[in-house]
Amino acid sequence: AQSVTQLGSHVSVSEGALVLLRCNYSSSVPPYLFWYVQYPNQGLQLLLKYTTGATLVKGINGFEAEFKKSETSFHLTKPSAHMSDAAEYFCAVTNSGSARQLTFGSGTQLTVLP
Amino acid sequence: DAGVTQSPTHLIKTRGQQVTLRCSPKSGHDTVSWYQQALGQEPQFIFQYYEEEERQRGNFPDRFSGHQFPNYSSELNVNALLLGDSALYLCASRKQGSGNTIYFGEGSWLTVV
Repeated sequence: AQSVTQLGSHVSVSEGALVLLRCNYSSSVPPYLFWYVQYPNQGLQLLLKYTTGATLVKGINGFEAEFKKSETSFHLTKPSAHMSDAAEYFCAVTNSGSARQLTFGSGTQLTVLP
Repeated sequence: DAGVTQSPTHLIKTRGQQVTLRCSPKSGHDTVSWYQQALGQEPQFIFQYYEEEERQRGNFPDRFSGHQFPNYSSELNVNALLLGDSALYLCASRKQGSGNTIYFGEGSWLTVV
């Protein structure tokens, strides 16, 4: 069984400040990890993914995440927040085999303050 | 290159009715999954289709059924609608053996009254 835990259902940062959204996973097999963003009344947009190889993953819109097996973490960061980053962010996990089912965390609502 | 497309975008149904939602996967993708996202919640996996067969199913009752066509498009059917079925239904697609990148559509908003 796999699961993800997102610490902090709401995170507020000032425009230009560092964004840090936390995700910890649990998996009995090597995980594939994803971050998705959801803007109001829209679907999910893939920000980045980790499958194998390099543990520091760069995504779209200046986001990146680092896979840390020893800490079972996959935190999402962005050096400087923009107002347009305000959205719901979901961390998700699937197994490295069939990838048949994504299991999502409960989400983190990011607010960017002017 | 069209992404994942879903229809309709919004619909309203009455309790007890049946609904069909449609999905066309991203070009080149052959695997389709459906998710239910209640308001304020994370998406929950319903089922996945590959080669026109249901390959895995989440914890949803038999009222939820699906189909995949030879062109890889898919339908989600929900019978005997309940108020609790009101949600955003998301379709996701991927290509088997491609590194597990999964893309989502914009979803279909279902309101049951």
